[in-house]
Amino acid sequence: SQTIHQWPATLVQPVGSPLSLECTVEGTSNPNLYWYRQAAGRGLQLLFYSVGIGQISSEVPQNLSASRPQDRQFILSSKKLLLSDSGFYLCAWSVSSSYEQYFGPGTRLTVT
Amino acid sequence: AQSVTQLDSQVPVFEEAPVELRCNYSSSVSVYLFWYVQYPNQGLQLLLKYLSGSTLVKGINGFEAEFNKSQTSFHLRKPSVHISDTAEYFCAVSVPTGKLIFGQGTTLQVKP
Repeated sequence: SQTIHQWPATLVQPVGSPLSLECTVEGTSNPNLYWYRQAAGRGLQLLFYSVGIGQISSEVPQNLSASRPQDRQFILSSKKLLLSDSGFYLCAWSVSSSYEQYFGPGTRLTVT
Repeated sequence: AQSVTQLDSQVPVFEEAPVELRCNYSSSVSVYLFWYVQYPNQGLQLLLKYLSGSTLVKGINGFEAEFNKSQTSFHLRKPSVHISDTAEYFCAVSVPTGKLIFGQGTTLQVKP
């Protein structure tokens, strides 16, 4: 069966520090991968999605970036965090021929 | 462009009472529809989906939803809720690019 992992689970970082969040999927090949952010009391905002290695589409211009160095690995990064980057970050995957998305457990990021 | 509106931000209900969480969507093309549940500090879990066929869709945990094309709605129902159903519920609609558009979420509060 397929599983999706995210780490770390929680992270507290000062403003201006770098960020790296990792997401990996097991049990499937060539998945579509997604990064979402969920701010407190708000819905999900799609940040990036990827249909293959090295193929990244950005939905919202911001100081975050994403990379997909391997088929089942998706990384969210920032060179300098802002207070507004605080939130709950969710990674998701889907089969390329399907709309159903399956979510990871999330990373709680607090920028201080 | 596709959009999703969840008509209630919070729905309080007593245990063992029925509940309906409302979702309307806007789209000029055929869509696929989903309901997800999110428990505190966790990722989203797929409750049910409508892809085609019967307009009444049954999901996990005793939930069901009815697709109404003329009213562009996809309301979620459960005949008798439990304390453990307390969570955030998200309605989502597909877009032709393969992504999902999520509503802002409805908090279901089940009271003893």
